[in-house]
Amino acid sequence: EAGVTQFPSHSVIEKGQTVTLRCDPISGHDNLYWYRRVMGKEIKFLLHFVKESKQDESGMPNNRFLAERTGGTYSTLKVQPAELEDSGVYFCASSPGTQGWGYNEQFFGPGTRLTVL
Amino acid sequence: AQRVTQPEKLLSVFKGAPVELKCNYSYSGSPELFWYVQYSRQRLQLLLRHISRESIKGFTADLNKGETSFHLKKPFAQEEDSAMYYCALSGLTKAAGNKLTFGGGTRVLVK
Repeated sequence: EAGVTQFPSHSVIEKGQTVTLRCDPISGHDNLYWYRRVMGKEIKFLLHFVKESKQDESGMPNNRFLAERTGGTYSTLKVQPAELEDSGVYFCASSPGTQGWGYNEQFFGPGTRLTVL
Repeated sequence: AQRVTQPEKLLSVFKGAPVELKCNYSYSGSPELFWYVQYSRQRLQLLLRHISRESIKGFTADLNKGETSFHLKKPFAQEEDSAMYYCALSGLTKAAGNKLTFGGGTRVLVK
């Protein structure tokens, strides 16, 4: 079975441009998470989808970031306009099951390395 | 606020020597604790979780609620243990939503 996939693997853009990252979760996984690791910092939670609904977007840094999950399948994370401090690695993870308590293992994608010049 | 602290950024050990990665946490409630590992050119993957109380690849971790710690240990390090290790926690409530809070990570080099 294919794992979580992310596209692109690496993106280099200039400040002020727009970039869209894509994540395809494991088929059938209702939960989809976005995280990012900025250089020298820890991996931080951005947001959580349950199917197509945003369950928790408390980690989104500002309104330049927009996440969507069309039809509860793949998700996109758009940064517009990109700033220098947005550089880092963006991870996507998915887990099975519907929202509830009790932890379901999250399976991570390989990440997208974003470089803003 | 929930927080995970890994005081060591880099741990260098000799093959066959014991290795211990420190992790301390703060959380107002009952968290679930995990260790994730990222080997070179591979994706982040779950190593072990405190609830399962398993030993994976020779690693064990005990949750000490009094000291709010979840240190990872292995009695005899192997070269294949060289990797980046992250301690993480998740809240055990519906409101917590299973989001993970990570520590800064510890890079282990086995020589």
